Amino acid sequence: AQKVTQAQTEISVVEKEDVTLDCVYETRDTTYYLFWYKQPPSGELVFLIRRNSFDEQNEISGRYSWNFQKSTSSFNFTITASQVVDSAVYFCALKGNRDDKIIFGKGTRLHILP
Amino acid sequence: EAGVAQSPRYKIIEKRQSVAFWCNPISGHATLYWYQQILGQGPKLLIQFQNNGVVDDSQLPKDRFSAERLKGVDSTLKIQPAKLEDSAVYLCASSLAPLLGGFLNTEAFFGQGTRLTVV
Repeated sequence: AQKVTQAQTEISVVEKEDVTLDCVYETRDTTYYLFWYKQPPSGELVFLIRRNSFDEQNEISGRYSWNFQKSTSSFNFTITASQVVDSAVYFCALKGNRDDKIIFGKGTRLHILP
Repeated sequence: EAGVAQSPRYKIIEKRQSVAFWCNPISGHATLYWYQQILGQGPKLLIQFQNNGVVDDSQLPKDRFSAERLKGVDSTLKIQPAKLEDSAVYLCASSLAPLLGGFLNTEAFFGQGTRLTVV
């Protein structure tokens, strides 16, 4: 069975601090994809990044970085020098190669305090 | 490129009434998903289409929910009759077909959702 666990329900940090959102996944598929989405107060889910299971390179995009470790089945997301506009709910998601379903975690609500 | 379009944005109905939501996916996207997101929770997949065929509807409450994608493009999701616990945001998403997507472009793009309140 596919499963995504985001253990942190809610996080609050002061602006300019770094923050890491954790994501742990379970899958029996040998090929799979991992995603992060941002859901701001407006409600729309915004795609941030995709990773396939063959590519364990970490990725950096501006203030965002992602750490994918197959050995621990984790795909963590770090925001450096956080800003108030980063306040949102962040979802980690998993898509197995066999059934093409995208399964979401329960999300982490991030508050960036000015 | 136009995104996923959904309507209406908001809907308030009484329990036992019926309601329908409409979704127009991104042009060329063969896969279409309907998700239900209850307040404070992650999106839950209700049904997934590949073109006009159903790939997965294992979590769709079929006694009251139905969905169709007749021409492989637009889709409608219907609830009849609605219950109080159906109050949620209904999200439509689309992605390229897995074969075309391969290892790339397999992510789903979401519409703004329809917020349903059942009173």
